[in-house]
Amino acid sequence: NAGVTQTPKFRILKIGQSMTLQCTQDMNHNYMYWYRQDPGMGLKLIYYSVGAGITDKGEVPNGYNVSRSTTEDFPLRLELAAPSQTSVYFCASSQKGRGGTNEKLFFGSGTQLSVL
Amino acid sequence: DAKTTQPNSMESNEEEPVHLPCNHSTISGTDYIHWYRQLPSQGPEYVIHGLTSNVNNRMASLAIAEDRKSSTLILHRATLRDAAVYYCILRDRAGRRALTFGSGTRLQVQP
Repeated sequence: NAGVTQTPKFRILKIGQSMTLQCTQDMNHNYMYWYRQDPGMGLKLIYYSVGAGITDKGEVPNGYNVSRSTTEDFPLRLELAAPSQTSVYFCASSQKGRGGTNEKLFFGSGTQLSVL
Repeated sequence: DAKTTQPNSMESNEEEPVHLPCNHSTISGTDYIHWYRQLPSQGPEYVIHGLTSNVNNRMASLAIAEDRKSSTLILHRATLRDAAVYYCILRDRAGRRALTFGSGTRLQVQP
């Protein structure tokens, strides 16, 4: 059972380059999320999605874009990479619980991104 | 948004119980209290969650104060593998469905 799969695991970008972080889940979860984690800090929500075709901004969306064309995939796009985007990126998914509340999140193993 | 407050760090000895506190004085009536932990170099993993009543599972217990303004995650017998950052989280503001993480409590377990 693969769960949440993120690729790549590591990437170094030059300032101004673009890239897409891939995230896919095989649990048929409605909800998917992108978080970033700076060294020694907690996670900050970038974007999330409650279903295919629906996305919404989190705490720190600037410099990122997302799309959700299928239930399984939720790619994160960096258009013009900046040093401030050096971080570890985590994708997560969850299933809708009773009364609309989230139940537990399942996280991928992360993508470590450095922008130099 | 409702916020949580946790100690930055705690220490415990192996095989002893650990009580990790969390304050959430502005919690709303429909907010669930979630706990996650993050082992070194890994993504966070779910530990437990609850609304009003105390909850138990194979990993831990969650004790929720009667006024719901605080909660405590209880690890009954700490092991070295329990050394991690523990996050106490409330739902994002009403109507949203994403969990917002704070800085958590770093638990060190001594042999």
